[in-house]
Amino acid sequence: SQKIEQNSEALNIQEGKTATLTCNYTNYSPAYLQWYRQDPGRGPVFLLLIRENEKEKRKERLKVTFDTTLKQSLFHITASQPADSATYLCALAGGGNKLTFGTGTQLKVEL
Amino acid sequence: DSGVTQTPKHLITATGQRVTLRCSPRSGDLSVYWYQQSLDQGLQFLIQYYNGEERAKGNILERFSAQQFPDLHSELNLSSLELGDSALYFCASSPRGISDTQYFGPGTRLTVL
Repeated sequence: SQKIEQNSEALNIQEGKTATLTCNYTNYSPAYLQWYRQDPGRGPVFLLLIRENEKEKRKERLKVTFDTTLKQSLFHITASQPADSATYLCALAGGGNKLTFGTGTQLKVEL
Repeated sequence: DSGVTQTPKHLITATGQRVTLRCSPRSGDLSVYWYQQSLDQGLQFLIQYYNGEERAKGNILERFSAQQFPDLHSELNLSSLELGDSALYFCASSPRGISDTQYFGPGTRLTVL
């Protein structure tokens, strides 16, 4: 069956360091992958989209990689700040014309 | 502010009851999506409408139904409510289909007692 896996354990890092979050998937052949940020009690907010023919995408302090051979996407936040603390969700377009979300990884950036 | 509005913000009701959640998409967006988010299940896709027609269906229970009206706002109807239906319900919109960025509303928190 199709599965999207994100690290369920919270990631704690120090301010200024680079945070790296992982999204692994099985039994998908996604044309693209999206990353969203979600704060407690709020709706997800779109961050980045990367297509299957793109290896890497950047936006300000954010970088996403997409390895269709490994079936993995990595999401990096450089020079992390306490304001980056949130849950980060990856989402894939699978069969049935729908976007499926992972369960998310909670990031905590400490001073 | 994503431009997507949802009402009500909070809803408390009893088991067996029926409720209606409302969503207004961003101006110009034709697609509306409904999601359910509970603590143990994550964000689950329920259903998508595009320009008034059902486009995709996810794990939506038969007790739940939705529609999109000519003015593009959408309603999600939940009936015969059970304790397990307590969750955050999000609406999202996008210009066309799932390859577009989805813009999420603030959600409706449903509590079934």
